[in-house]
Amino acid sequence: NAGVTQTPKFQVLKTGQSMTLQCAQDMNHEYMSWYRQDPGMGLRLIHYSVGAGITDQGEVPNGYNVSRSTTEDFPLRLLSAAPSQTSVYFCASSYTAGGSPLHFGNGTRLTVT
Amino acid sequence: DAKTTQPTSMDCAEGRAANLPCNHSTISGNEYVYWYRQIHSQGPQYIIHGLKNNETNEMASLIITEDRKSSTLILPHATLRDTAVYYCIVRLLFYNQGGKLIFGQGTELSVKP
Repeated sequence: NAGVTQTPKFQVLKTGQSMTLQCAQDMNHEYMSWYRQDPGMGLRLIHYSVGAGITDQGEVPNGYNVSRSTTEDFPLRLLSAAPSQTSVYFCASSYTAGGSPLHFGNGTRLTVT
Repeated sequence: DAKTTQPTSMDCAEGRAANLPCNHSTISGNEYVYWYRQIHSQGPQYIIHGLKNNETNEMASLIITEDRKSSTLILPHATLRDTAVYYCIVRLLFYNQGGKLIFGQGTELSVKP
């Protein structure tokens, strides 16, 4: 039972490069989301999805794109990386109902130089 | 979704109960109260959740006031491994009613020997 799997664990990009952070879950969860966490700060919601084909913006969506073509996968795309996007990124998933807890991945540590 | 307010930091002696408060005065009737914790830079870990009644599991107890405007997470016998940042959030009953799960700054709990 893998839970929520994030890849890669670490990534270094140069300014202007693009990349995709992968997130996959094997629990048949409808809800998936992406958070970023900067040093000394809490988690900030980037984008979320309540089901395949449905996505919406969170608190800090600028510079990031998402899509949800399958229930299992929710990739986060950085179109043109900037140093301000240096952060730790967490993916989380849950059943749709509010009575079910979020399950978090182990994070991707991204550095943009 | 309702917002939450927590103290920035708290100390607790090892072996004593840790009582972490959370204010959610704008909570609505169909919102759950959830508690998570984050140790170092790991993914947040689910602790407990509740709607109206007090709840207890193997990790902690959750006390929700009768008016539901505040709650307290209780770690009955804190250990050094409970040192972490604790987040209190509220969640709607169904995600398709609104999926913006916003984390606040959390409470940094330090358990001291």
